[in-house]
Amino acid sequence: NAGVTQTPKFQVLKTGQSMTLQCAQDMNHEYMSWYRQDPGMGLRLIHYSVGAGITDQGEVPNGYNVSRSTTEDFPLRLLSAAPSQTSVYFCASRGGGVGYVEQFFGPGTRLTVL
Amino acid sequence: GENVEQHPSTLSVQEGDSAVIKCTYSDSASNYFPWYKQELGKGPQLIIDIRSNVGEKKDQRIAVTLNKTAKHFSLHITETQPEDSAVYFCAASNTGFQKLVFGTGTRLLVSP
Repeated sequence: NAGVTQTPKFQVLKTGQSMTLQCAQDMNHEYMSWYRQDPGMGLRLIHYSVGAGITDQGEVPNGYNVSRSTTEDFPLRLLSAAPSQTSVYFCASRGGGVGYVEQFFGPGTRLTVL
Repeated sequence: GENVEQHPSTLSVQEGDSAVIKCTYSDSASNYFPWYKQELGKGPQLIIDIRSNVGEKKDQRIAVTLNKTAKHFSLHITETQPEDSAVYFCAASNTGFQKLVFGTGTRLLVSP
């Protein structure tokens, strides 16, 4: 299993540009999430999904869109990038059921918005 | 909503010493408390977790304790090794393990 994969690893955008951060998992996990990590602030939840076709907002959803058309993929869209969105983005997944609590994180995407 | 505070922000120890990282949470309904280790350039990785119906859990050199009354939980690493050097994050969840609220992280440096 490749686990959770994220592309690209690095990205530089100009203010106002749009882009999609890709996330895929091959563990047949129901739950997927997006976090952003900023210096001194830990990780903050942006959006999450409890299954294909179902998404919900996390702590810091503004400026980001998500969709979940398949179990495997959970892309994060920035419609109009702003410098405040400069961060490291992590995707995570976990299996369904009471016994499956561990969230598996991808390697991250480092985004810089100029 | 939930708020998690983590201390210290940096911790330097000698190899073989013990390290303790402490977190407090605000929501008494929180029932799941994981600890993650993040190495440079990588995503966080779960090292140990505890649920609210347990006061202590141990896995080899790593242990976590939970005090629900005081709303704090701690990570204990014994016999530290240089490879334990990393950033450690605590987290809490009151929503069925999915919505984690993270602390701000502790950078642990273990010197040989």
